[in-house]
Amino acid sequence: QVQLQESGPGLVKPSETLSLTCSVSRGSISGYYWTWIRQPPGKGLEWIGYIYYSGSTNSNPSLKSRVTMSVDTSRNQFSLRLMSVSAADTAVYFCARRAGGSDAFDVWGQGTMVTVSS
Amino acid sequence: SYELTQPLSVSVALGQTATITCGGNNIGIKNVHWYQQKPGQAPVLVIYGGLNRPSGIPERFSGSNSGNTATLTISRAQAGDEADYYCQVWDSSRVVFGGGTKLTVL
Repeated sequence: QVQLQESGPGLVKPSETLSLTCSVSRGSISGYYWTWIRQPPGKGLEWIGYIYYSGSTNSNPSLKSRVTMSVDTSRNQFSLRLMSVSAADTAVYFCARRAGGSDAFDVWGQGTMVTVSS
Repeated sequence: SYELTQPLSVSVALGQTATITCGGNNIGIKNVHWYQQKPGQAPVLVIYGGLNRPSGIPERFSGSNSGNTATLTISRAQAGDEADYYCQVWDSSRVVFGGGTKLTVL
């Protein structure tokens, strides 16, 4: 079964850039859409954006100006950069795979907590 | 932008049937997916395409979708079903989540 693992700093200073990577194991990154989703403490899920293995992207309009996503098929990884962060960006960040047959998210990483604080 | 509305909380007696709704404009024509999230864990897909169960999800979980409401039904509720549940759709190539419903099993 495909597994996803997020990695990156757990603490980011305000106004700096949050950078996370999601590593895909026991399966290929090719042929799928890969998504970032976050969850502020005690709150619901918020979609950040997705990237296709070929590199095309789409993101939440509320975050679009600050979000960059990339994919490295040779490493079976994809990444998220969120610029100019503030305390409002403090959240657990999940990566997930959009299923091939349906458009549901069938595989999720365990999530990584990112705190924005000086 | 498209919005999904869920009740904040639902309670169900042990062994009884829980119903969680997800309201959206003409949601009946969309593919609705449901996720279960327990504290400190990642969400798990429990229903996709409105009524399909992924492998490994008990038959006690079922879904329906019509008109302006999608419904997740959990039969013979168990203590282990206590969790937050989120509905999700795609709208204009964007992902939309409902606000989530906390299910309490009494």
